[in-house]
Amino acid sequence: DAKTTQPTSMDCAEGRAANLPCNHSTISGNEYVYWYRQIHSQGPQYIIHGLKNNETNEMASLIITEDRKSSTLILPHATLRDTAVYYCIVRVAGGNQGGKLIFGQGTELSVKP
Amino acid sequence: GAVVSQHPSWVICKSGTSVKIECRSLDFQATTMFWYRQFPKQSLMLMATSNEGSKATYEQGVEKDKFLINHASLTLSTLTVTSAHPEDSSFYICSATPPGLAYNEQFFGPGTRLTVL
Repeated sequence: DAKTTQPTSMDCAEGRAANLPCNHSTISGNEYVYWYRQIHSQGPQYIIHGLKNNETNEMASLIITEDRKSSTLILPHATLRDTAVYYCIVRVAGGNQGGKLIFGQGTELSVKP
Repeated sequence: GAVVSQHPSWVICKSGTSVKIECRSLDFQATTMFWYRQFPKQSLMLMATSNEGSKATYEQGVEKDKFLINHASLTLSTLTVTSAHPEDSSFYICSATPPGLAYNEQFFGPGTRLTVL
């Protein structure tokens, strides 16, 4: 079962920041937080991941709380092309679990003009 | 970036026939690939882990005799849905990780939509 809880859906105005929350209260010390998104009828796309420090890349920023029980994915200037389902996943990086990703229900983000 | 392709992108078949779906890593070698299934309005469900040169590892509840997986080379894994029935209609997606990256930075194929009549 997925170890994360996300809101089912969110709206965001084009050009504004989109803040997508994720709760992972049972996260273990060696588990990372990963974010993927899936645009309709396409394969998922990796966005970002982090352990405990905040991370930023060309797509997004990831803010992880100090107790690591929740995190927020930030799309700084959302565009219509960011409309997608966003998945927050926690798991150990690499390791002997073979890299399996267990997807929860995700958050359906709708960016509106 | 790493590219994973799938073929075909969509397929329609009659009930009782078998369908083969290919997953290729175009610019890297992948010893491990993953197969997912996604029903409409639902999340992705991991079906199996495909290992080059050895048997696939299936998730609980996935029939290995119905969903045959062959990972014959470092760039190709195939999923064959045998004796397909309408309830097998779904979106099938594969993924792989280039060497040197953590497993979870997976790159996904575009998916194959299977419709069984």
